[in-house]
Amino acid sequence: DTAVSQTPKYLVTQMGNDKSIKCEQNLGHDTMYWYKQDSKKFLKIMFSYNNKELIINETVPNRFSPKSPDKAHLNLHINSLELGDSAVYFCASSPRTGDGYTFGSGTRLTVV
Amino acid sequence: QKEVEQNSGPLSVPEGAIASLNCTYSDRVSQSFFWYRQYSGKSPELIMSIYSNGDKEDGRFTAQLNKASQYVSLLIRDSQPSDSATYLCAGTSGTYKYIFGTGTRLKVLA
Repeated sequence: DTAVSQTPKYLVTQMGNDKSIKCEQNLGHDTMYWYKQDSKKFLKIMFSYNNKELIINETVPNRFSPKSPDKAHLNLHINSLELGDSAVYFCASSPRTGDGYTFGSGTRLTVV
Repeated sequence: QKEVEQNSGPLSVPEGAIASLNCTYSDRVSQSFFWYRQYSGKSPELIMSIYSNGDKEDGRFTAQLNKASQYVSLLIRDSQPSDSATYLCAGTSGTYKYIFGTGTRLKVLA
């Protein structure tokens, strides 16, 4: 049973399109995150939700909008995709803020 | 200074040797520290957490934290080719935020 599952695993899309990535965790964790990993493998936090409440909103373009319908789900919607958005996006969860993470398998987004 | 700094490597060690991975951090990072392993094309996997000064051992892995000198290290004893991966150091900044280093690539030579 997958602990943190993300869909889709791969996403290839044209510039200007809108796309969503979904994440679900079945660990009962309170906190969920979105991270972006660039081509140099640097992991940068984008958003974090604790019990459906947004607690971290880093400096990302407002084309990126997270949504947490309940504490087991955290989705990421991206409007007007740009070439620079190409990266691997990881969802993660932790029991509480400041605990170690369990990561999803990642979504490789390629904007062409 | 970067908030969490690691040497990118690659660090090459022979099979059976001890691999020593180091990480330094700035004043903005404190409290809790973590080591993750990331195989190429895969997601990071938590292997160790450490919260207080000193050593913490788990199997072949030992994490060491020295808050006065602001460094945290990971020792891997009896290194195996399957340990070849990128090792990411992370620390918490404030209550909610988690800062990752850029990772050290480890190569264990058979």
